[in-house]
Amino acid sequence: DGGITQSPKYLFRKEGQNVTLSCEQNLNHDAMYWYRQDPGQGLRLIYYSQIVNDFQKGDIAEGYSVSREKKESFPLTVTSAQKNPTAFYLCASTLMGAGSVEAFFGQGTRLTVV
Amino acid sequence: GENVEQHPSTLSVQEGDSAVIKCTYSDSASNYFPWYKQELGKGPQLIIDIRSNVGEKKDQRIAVTLNKTAKHFSLHITETQPEDSAVYFCAANAGGTSYGKLTFGQGTILTVHP
Repeated sequence: DGGITQSPKYLFRKEGQNVTLSCEQNLNHDAMYWYRQDPGQGLRLIYYSQIVNDFQKGDIAEGYSVSREKKESFPLTVTSAQKNPTAFYLCASTLMGAGSVEAFFGQGTRLTVV
Repeated sequence: GENVEQHPSTLSVQEGDSAVIKCTYSDSASNYFPWYKQELGKGPQLIIDIRSNVGEKKDQRIAVTLNKTAKHFSLHITETQPEDSAVYFCAANAGGTSYGKLTFGQGTILTVHP
């Protein structure tokens, strides 16, 4: 079945550590996105990538980094510079083009700082 | 940038009643307006979307209306069922972009009482 796989489902981080969240898709989608979700708030865009080896900052990129070495993969690293990293992280992907903008989401990774 | 406001934040209805959730957006260039349903601990799933060249779209018990002049769009769920209970998000694409760079509303927690 085609879809987006995020791993792990739950992640615990000690203060001062970097952690990497995995996102893989087999939908052959061109664009991939990372969103952060906090309780009582909508999803906020962290980073997005329209093509391999290229990515752009979203609205809340500080303290995060990404890479896009393969079309299928878009890992997100939460660095120690991110002051409040505890949140639910969602990865999404879309085709490019005016007729195909439906965003498909993974099941999310819940990150907790301990 | 785009700003999307969503109301109400919580909505409680009896089974069989209708539910209406409203959103406003700020960017007149936005032309794609999806609605997502999110169940606890899962990623959002698209339930219906509308493009700016259409005023209304229906899919069984779910309908979305769009008023471009007033920059608002609404989700209507008729004959609600307990399994409709979830968090619902509206979204708009940024600056009329042809891909899924979305700005989300804050979400509505819908509870349908049997």
